[in-house]
Amino acid sequence: DIQMTQSPSSLSASVGDRVTLTCRASQGISNSVAWLQQKPGKAPKSLIYDASSLQSGVPSKFSGSGSGTEFTLTISSLQPDDFATYYCQQYYSYPLTFGGGTKVEIK
Amino acid sequence: QVQLQESGPGLVKPSETLSLTCAVSGSSIRSDYFWGWIRQPPGKGLEWIGSFYLGGSTYYNPSLKSRVTFSGDTSRNQLSLKLGSATATDTAVYYCARQGDLLEAFDVLGRGTVVIVSA
Repeated sequence: DIQMTQSPSSLSASVGDRVTLTCRASQGISNSVAWLQQKPGKAPKSLIYDASSLQSGVPSKFSGSGSGTEFTLTISSLQPDDFATYYCQQYYSYPLTFGGGTKVEIK
Repeated sequence: QVQLQESGPGLVKPSETLSLTCAVSGSSIRSDYFWGWIRQPPGKGLEWIGSFYLGGSTYYNPSLKSRVTFSGDTSRNQLSLKLGSATATDTAVYYCARQGDLLEAFDVLGRGTVVIVSA
């Protein structure tokens, strides 16, 4: 199975900050990565697919990059609504696997 | 607008079968999509249970393969999940989701349904 490792596991940031989250795959997975956002008590929501493509309706302040084994999700100018847990997921090979998540908290 | 809504008994006794449904609106389960199930134990991360295409392809997470079965009811446009021999470790929020293919991202996820396995 492909292991997805996210770092950091949590971070504190202020409104207006730019933050970058990292996800590393245990082997090369091309660009087969999605990022999902989960707010407390809510279902995950898909933000990005194919490492850098935004799902319909997702604001452009979210951006993804990377290929191979290292991927990043950047949120420009954090707003109160962005404080959540973010998960990466690989769909390069079966079984599909998720990272452990990065919790973005208010400083 | 595609919407998925899971439902289930809420409480399941150990060793019994956990049965959930996912009502799909805005998209036909007979269309060219895969339909997946994901779960999240309390306070933990996400785990892929499996995905299937009504036309015949089904993929289960090897860790659950021996206990899980997916099906679809085209007359009701809903999906079903059955997980046998339930234990406390199956306590989780269960989500259904849509994806273009097995090796594509999920684009829509349901709101989830809580299942507690307890006597």
